[in-house]
Amino acid sequence: AQKITQTQPGMFVQEKEAVTLDCTYDTSDPSYGLFWYKQPSSGEMIFLIYQGSYDQQNATEGRYSLNFQKARKSANLVISASQLGDSAMYFCAMREAQAGTALIFGKGTTLSVSS
Amino acid sequence: GAVVSQHPSRVICKSGTSVKIECRSLDFQATTMFWYRQFPKKSLMLMATSNEGSKATYEQGVEKDKFLINHASLTLSTLTVTSAHPEDSSFYICSASNRDTSNSPLPFGNGTRLTVT
Repeated sequence: AQKITQTQPGMFVQEKEAVTLDCTYDTSDPSYGLFWYKQPSSGEMIFLIYQGSYDQQNATEGRYSLNFQKARKSANLVISASQLGDSAMYFCAMREAQAGTALIFGKGTTLSVSS
Repeated sequence: GAVVSQHPSRVICKSGTSVKIECRSLDFQATTMFWYRQFPKKSLMLMATSNEGSKATYEQGVEKDKFLINHASLTLSTLTVTSAHPEDSSFYICSASNRDTSNSPLPFGNGTRLTVT
């Protein structure tokens, strides 16, 4: 069975600093996708970044980058130059390759950015 | 991009009544829809997966008679919380998928905050 682990319940960072949110995963499927979503207090799920299991390079999207270490089964999210608006809950999620499979989420990390 | 609309965004109901939540895919045909439940400051827990025209598959521990899911068309799935009780109060959020592989970020509805009094 697939599993996602986020071990940091809360992280605190100052504006303009970088922060790394940890995520490890487990699956027996060789083909899968890893995702990070942001959930502000309003509740909407905002997609941030995707990494495929066969991708050779780490994914980047603006200030977000994904540090993918396949052998260690980790997919950490790096946010550079944090902004106050980055304060939210962040979820790591995985989806196995079969069509119609759901995203399975980790427990989440609450990020607080201070000025 | 793929857009999912969920309605209502908030609902307050009395204990013993039933509540229906709608999830619509606006610009694509959703062959599969997913329903999640989220308690405050907790993760999204998958409740069930529904495929158009067939019965939903429920996750272990989810009462199928309590949470009725209907996916009658390629653009609409509904979740009905029957005989709601205060412990059913939660944030419910849907997501949708078409015939794709694992590399697509699934769009989500904006969620429904249910309060049972």
